[in-house]
Amino acid sequence: EEQLVESGGNLIQPGGSLRLSCAVSGFTVSSNYMSWVRQAPGKGLEWVSVIYRGGDTHYADSVKGRFTISRDNSKNTVYLQMNSLRAEDTAVYYCARHDSITSSYFFDSWGQGTLVTVSS
Amino acid sequence: EIVMTQSPATLSVSPGERATLSCRASQSVRSYLAWYQQKPGQPPRLLFYGASTRATAVPARFSGSGSGTEFTLTINSLQSEDFAVYYCQQYNIWPPTFGQGTNVEIK
Repeated sequence: EEQLVESGGNLIQPGGSLRLSCAVSGFTVSSNYMSWVRQAPGKGLEWVSVIYRGGDTHYADSVKGRFTISRDNSKNTVYLQMNSLRAEDTAVYYCARHDSITSSYFFDSWGQGTLVTVSS
Repeated sequence: EIVMTQSPATLSVSPGERATLSCRASQSVRSYLAWYQQKPGQPPRLLFYGASTRATAVPARFSGSGSGTEFTLTINSLQSEDFAVYYCQQYNIWPPTFGQGTNVEIK
């Protein structure tokens, strides 16, 4: 069974840093495109970042230069390092797998999410 | 960035009735359109991709249609488990973008 389990969310002050983890079982992260998608409280969904099979990464303009996506193949885990956090980064952060067949930019498997709250 | 606009924001439907949800793109996304269902406290669940291809285990009462800039999600004979928020998402042009959602609530 495929499972994605996020962790690392917390209450953090503006300007602070946090690292989110997405531990995967049931499939191999290095064989898939993996993204982070976030959802502010009561709001819609916003794509944040992707890491490709080959290791290339891309970011939404709203987080470029502040967030870094990475993975550890030995742990089958994807990470999101978040620096210089702002109040507007407050959201539930989901780890999601791109379509496993074509790697298109839609998401066929999601974790349960982890809440990041940026507030003083 | 492509803007996805969903209507209505809230749809009140009685169980057993049909729900029709709309999604409009600010420019053509061809058929690169996905639909998701999200229930409170849960992650989104993929319903459709390619505008009309049903994802695994999605009941046949759900159907998707459209291309270009206009898309529709139809739910026939609404069941209690169908009351949720539905999002469309385009993946034709980077970055992928989502609509703001339609909340299907019990009338």
